[in-house]
Amino acid sequence: EPEVTQTPSHQVTQMGQEVILRCVPISNHLYFYWYRQILGQKVEFLVSFYNNEISEKSEIFDDQFSVERPDGSNFTLKIRSTKLEDSAMYFCASRQRLGELDEQFFGPGTRLTVL
Amino acid sequence: GQSLEQPSEVTAVEGAIVQINCTYQTSGFYGLSWYQQHDGGAPTFLSYNALDGLEETGRFSSFLSRSDSYGYLLLQELQMKDSASYFCAVRTGGGNKLTFGTGTQLKVEL
Repeated sequence: EPEVTQTPSHQVTQMGQEVILRCVPISNHLYFYWYRQILGQKVEFLVSFYNNEISEKSEIFDDQFSVERPDGSNFTLKIRSTKLEDSAMYFCASRQRLGELDEQFFGPGTRLTVL
Repeated sequence: GQSLEQPSEVTAVEGAIVQINCTYQTSGFYGLSWYQQHDGGAPTFLSYNALDGLEETGRFSSFLSRSDSYGYLLLQELQMKDSASYFCAVRTGGGNKLTFGTGTQLKVEL
């Protein structure tokens, strides 16, 4: 069964450093998402992406964040200058098309630790 | 803004039936989804309701009342492997983003 993959599974970085989290969505999906989950808390929406542009972003997704689909398969989240509070699990998700019965499939996540 | 409320914890015995409630306040509502998450794992889709009524998928059922801004997830014939966190999430916006509830930790005991 096709699945969303994410790399790395765990990233440790120093405060102020840039990180790039990578995702490979399911191949025939058109809509892509990033979510994050701080330990012990709920999953929070960051950004949605369709047709090579951001369709919606949350208040969390400030100028330090950016997303890109550099080729036909990868979808990346960049954090330019990490802060301690960016430590969280980051989930990528993809969706085939807009429609009532379509669901978002989540990847296994990247645990980001900012020291 | 949007908010979703769920009980924080529920405990039940193996073989029992448990209901997890979710109330929400949102604008631009498309539907209510339910996800399961085991510790450290990815959210896994369980069920979705766009219209009022009951949707059944095996041991899991989900209910929605749009007029009451309320839904629930019903888990039948509980198994130990059902011990996990369960999140309701509303779908909103042009991109169908998910706004998650606070999650309910279900513990299934022998």
